[in-house]
Amino acid sequence: GAVVSQHPSRVICKSGTSVKIECRSLDFQATTMFWYRQFPKKSLMLMATSNEGSKATYEQGVEKDKFLINHASLTLSTLTVTSAHPEDSSFYICSARVRLKNTEAFFGQGTRLTVV
Amino acid sequence: AQSVTQPDIHITVSEGASLELRCNYSYGATPYLFWYVQSPGQGLQLLLKYFSGDTLVQGIKGFEAEFKRSQSSFNLRKPSVHWSDAAEYFCAVGLSNTGKLIFGQGTTLQVKP
Repeated sequence: GAVVSQHPSRVICKSGTSVKIECRSLDFQATTMFWYRQFPKKSLMLMATSNEGSKATYEQGVEKDKFLINHASLTLSTLTVTSAHPEDSSFYICSARVRLKNTEAFFGQGTRLTVV
Repeated sequence: AQSVTQPDIHITVSEGASLELRCNYSYGATPYLFWYVQSPGQGLQLLLKYFSGDTLVQGIKGFEAEFKRSQSSFNLRKPSVHWSDAAEYFCAVGLSNTGKLIFGQGTTLQVKP
């Protein structure tokens, strides 16, 4: 089956620093990847849609300068949380859509970000 | 606007008992529907999906779900719950033109011995 690998699984960073999270599709090409944020005991909130070779599309209310998304290849998208603050602490999950199959996406295992 | 509602925030069932988790959706077009399970601190695992065809869908781990267009529902069922089924369950609707998923609020399943 399609495998999506997300790295790191956990990261602790100091307030004011930036942290990068990687999302890789290991055995398929993903033209589109999605980034979600999940607060404790809450549902997943779509942050942005990442398209290979073009700018990401951000959902309303998501700061594009705070959450930088790059989708440089068909197998890799990155989310960089810039100038992180404690309120950015959350669980971030990516998903990747199989190329030419528009109706299903596969999820990474998530990244727990803690900003101290 | 598209939305997914899971009316039950928390459900507790005894091991061996049957289970039904409710999901209602609002979407103007033909929906693509999913159920995912999430263990604490983990990503999402797909249990089953409905795209078209037979409205009763079989998934992994003994789960099934039935799509009822007239009720805008996609309820998840399992005839006999195991202690390992305790987790968070999310229903989602997929937007056919973008691939985005809209998630419900989730239902926490607790299994009593």
